[in-house]
Amino acid sequence: GAVVSQHPSWVICKSGTSVKIECRSLDFQATTMFWYRQFPKQSLMLMATSNEGSKATYEQGVEKDKFLINHASLTLSTLTVTSAHPEDSSFYICSATGTGQGNTEAFFGQGTRLTVV
Amino acid sequence: AQSVTQLGSHVSVSEGALVLLRCNYSSSVPPYLFWYVQYPNQGLQLLLKYTSAATLVKGINGFEAEFKKSETSFHLTKPSAHMSDAAEYFCAVSPNTNAGKSTFGDGTTLTVKP
Repeated sequence: GAVVSQHPSWVICKSGTSVKIECRSLDFQATTMFWYRQFPKQSLMLMATSNEGSKATYEQGVEKDKFLINHASLTLSTLTVTSAHPEDSSFYICSATGTGQGNTEAFFGQGTRLTVV
Repeated sequence: AQSVTQLGSHVSVSEGALVLLRCNYSSSVPPYLFWYVQYPNQGLQLLLKYTSAATLVKGINGFEAEFKKSETSFHLTKPSAHMSDAAEYFCAVSPNTNAGKSTFGDGTTLTVKP
């Protein structure tokens, strides 16, 4: 299957700072990328959908000014958590669908554990 | 609109016993259905998927699931549990027009007793 790589795997940042998470498709062109958030012992909640070259579409209740998503190329999307606070601590996972993959499944990154102290 | 209900947040079986994890879905359009496994602090690994072809789907590690439209179900089974199957399992549904936009169930924690 296709490979999606997320970086970093974990990050600790101070409250009030911003942190960027990268999601890369390594062997296919990701026309659409998805960002999920997972709290401990809970399910994945879709935060936003981004199509290459377009503005991201955010799910209801997700602050677009706090969670900045950029999808400037067909192999890279970034999620920036701005002015992070402890309540933003979570596991963030990206997934991607793209051309040449039959478009019958999304491929997931390995996730990023964000801890805000 | 779409949603997933996983019945049983915790399932415990003995090693070698049948594994049955339940998933019911609702979808306003023809769905794609998925089962994923997640180990602690890791991403999701796809076990199997239904994409409107065969209703009985075989996946990795001996897992299989059957799509039953009349029951709106997609239960996951494995004939004989192994210790390494202990993990969190998620059922997910997507519209068949947008496979990546998934709605996940709350997850089922599978414990395997020796």
